[in-house]
Amino acid sequence: KNEVEQSPQNLTAQEGEFITINCSYSVGISALHWLQQHPGGGIVSLFMLSSGKKKHGRLIATINIQEKHSSLHITASHPRDSAVYICAADQSGNQFYFGTGTSLTVIP
Amino acid sequence: NAGVTQTPKFQVLKTGQSMTLQCAQDMNHNSMYWYRQDPGMGLRLIYYSASEGTTDKGEVPNGYNVSRLNKREFSLRLESAAPSQTSVYFCASRGTGDFYGYTFGSGTRLTVV
Repeated sequence: KNEVEQSPQNLTAQEGEFITINCSYSVGISALHWLQQHPGGGIVSLFMLSSGKKKHGRLIATINIQEKHSSLHITASHPRDSAVYICAADQSGNQFYFGTGTSLTVIP
Repeated sequence: NAGVTQTPKFQVLKTGQSMTLQCAQDMNHNSMYWYRQDPGMGLRLIYYSASEGTTDKGEVPNGYNVSRLNKREFSLRLESAAPSQTSVYFCASRGTGDFYGYTFGSGTRLTVV
């Protein structure tokens, strides 16, 4: 049983397209994190959110606590956005459940 | 540059050998973590330290030990490496306050043969 499910697992898009990655979780959380892992392996924290919506450049993250669902949107996608995007449910500050990631490839 | 420094980046061990993965952060974070990442699986927590002097087991602690030497450093030790410990290991730290996000190290790719 996976506490965090992401969809899709793999996504290929044309440059400029609007992209949505979904995350559903089954546990109670204090926050939801979105991480980005580049092909070289490094992991960067993109967002931490506990309600509503956050925006950083072309990235937007939303969360619906009642539905236990979060989405990560990328507007005007670019090849440099190609990476694995990981959703993580923060249950208690030190107990996290990670999704297996969505591999995004943006084609020029 | 501020961040999490993790060494080594690559390591090959023979079954039964021991090694220590080093991690240091210079952001004055209280919490530090060791994760492993395996193909097709999410990051899994091995051990964490909520503050200097404390450590706690995560989801997959068997075969590992940790030391929180001081606030900056959190090391992971494999006493007798096994092929099942072949993985990519990430150290991370986390602060408190408005930005309650993670900072990750660059990872250690460990192969046990």
